[in-house]
Amino acid sequence: KNQVEQSPQSLIILEGKNCTLQCNYTVSPFSNLRWYKQDTGRGPVSLTIMTFSENTKSNGRYTATLDADTKQSSLHITASQLSDSASYICVVRDSGGGADGLTFGKGTHLIIQP
Amino acid sequence: DVKVTQSSRYLVKRTGEKVFLECVQDMDHENMFWYRQDPGLGLRLIYFSYDVKMKEKGDIPEGYSVSREKKERFSLILESASTNQTSMYLCASSPGQRGANQPQHFGDGTRLSIL
Repeated sequence: KNQVEQSPQSLIILEGKNCTLQCNYTVSPFSNLRWYKQDTGRGPVSLTIMTFSENTKSNGRYTATLDADTKQSSLHITASQLSDSASYICVVRDSGGGADGLTFGKGTHLIIQP
Repeated sequence: DVKVTQSSRYLVKRTGEKVFLECVQDMDHENMFWYRQDPGLGLRLIYFSYDVKMKEKGDIPEGYSVSREKKERFSLILESASTNQTSMYLCASSPGQRGANQPQHFGDGTRLSIL
């Protein structure tokens, strides 16, 4: 069964510090991996999508990495801001069919403290 | 920018009522989805539609049905609401197969409470 595991479940860091969120998956055959940011009371918003051939992708202060061999991805946040407080969800798409081919992680809840 | 609009942000209904949640997208996307989100469980797919009048069951379809009469609108129906259906409901849309590497676009959710 396809699975996506995220760690840590929650994280508290001080404003201005960097942090890294992890995503391990067992989805096969792999199509792409997505990171979403979900602010409290809002819907998830896409940060990045990575395909098999992409190792690193940046979106402002967010940098995602993908190691397709070890089936791991990370999301690195640089110089955190209060507005980065949110849940970050890793989603992996398979290319093998199924209703929508998407497997969701349960998210990492990030709190940035001033 | 793609906009996915859910008709209500908050909704309170009684056990046994028939409940309708509406979702509209403005980008001509083929795919539309209904999820529920519960603490500790993440997003779980209820139903998925890849075209008008087409639907597929997701992981937790029991107690729900859907309707897609027009491309831009996808409705979720709770046939007889129960307290265990209290949850945050999220609608999403995405392009069809040609957009397999495109993200989903989500609405801001409907927080539904069943009393």
